Amino acid sequence: GENVEQHPSTLSVQEGDSAVIKCTYSDSASNYFPWYKQELGKGPQLIIDIRSNVGEKKDQRIAVTLNKTAKHFSLHITETQPEDSAVYFCAATPDYNFNKFYFGSGTKLNVKP
Amino acid sequence: SQTIHQWPATLVQPVGSPLSLECTVEGTSNPNLYWYRQAAGRGLQLLFYSVGIGQISSEVPQNLSASRPQDRQFILSSKKLLLSDSGFYLCALNLGSGGTQYFGPGTRLLVL
Repeated sequence: GENVEQHPSTLSVQEGDSAVIKCTYSDSASNYFPWYKQELGKGPQLIIDIRSNVGEKKDQRIAVTLNKTAKHFSLHITETQPEDSAVYFCAATPDYNFNKFYFGSGTKLNVKP
Repeated sequence: SQTIHQWPATLVQPVGSPLSLECTVEGTSNPNLYWYRQAAGRGLQLLFYSVGIGQISSEVPQNLSASRPQDRQFILSSKKLLLSDSGFYLCALNLGSGGTQYFGPGTRLLVL
């Protein structure tokens, strides 16, 4: 099955700096890659996603890039703010019907004011 | 838009006691439904998913079971809880092919 690895496990940045979180996947059939933000005690919330026919997608301060050849995708957060502090998960799914999402182990991002 | 409800929000149970966690959804019909468990500081482990009433797929052998008695209701159960069942249980849905997965607010379970 699919295996998603995520790095780093923890990331500390100064407010205003950029943060980059990287994920790799193993199944070349994976075709959808969402990113989730989980605040303490809450369920994960989708923040951005990318499909395999696109190389990059941006939404204000957040962007995701996908390299299908290398089987890796990354989350980029620019001009970080304290409210960006949370745990971020990447995921991949090779299932046409999207029945199974495979998640990375998470990155705890701490933005220091 | 769809909404996912989970209850209770928190639960403390003794070892060996039964468990029933409920997930209900609003604003959609015939969703795919999922149960995940998240251990403290860890990632998301898929436990069960369901593509329709009475249809349950189990991802890992364990002390838990799931049922889907109605289209918008997904229940996670156990006959006898273990200490290792402690965790944060998340219900999720997606709307089928090409759909994004959405998560509920979660239930925190502590087995003592």
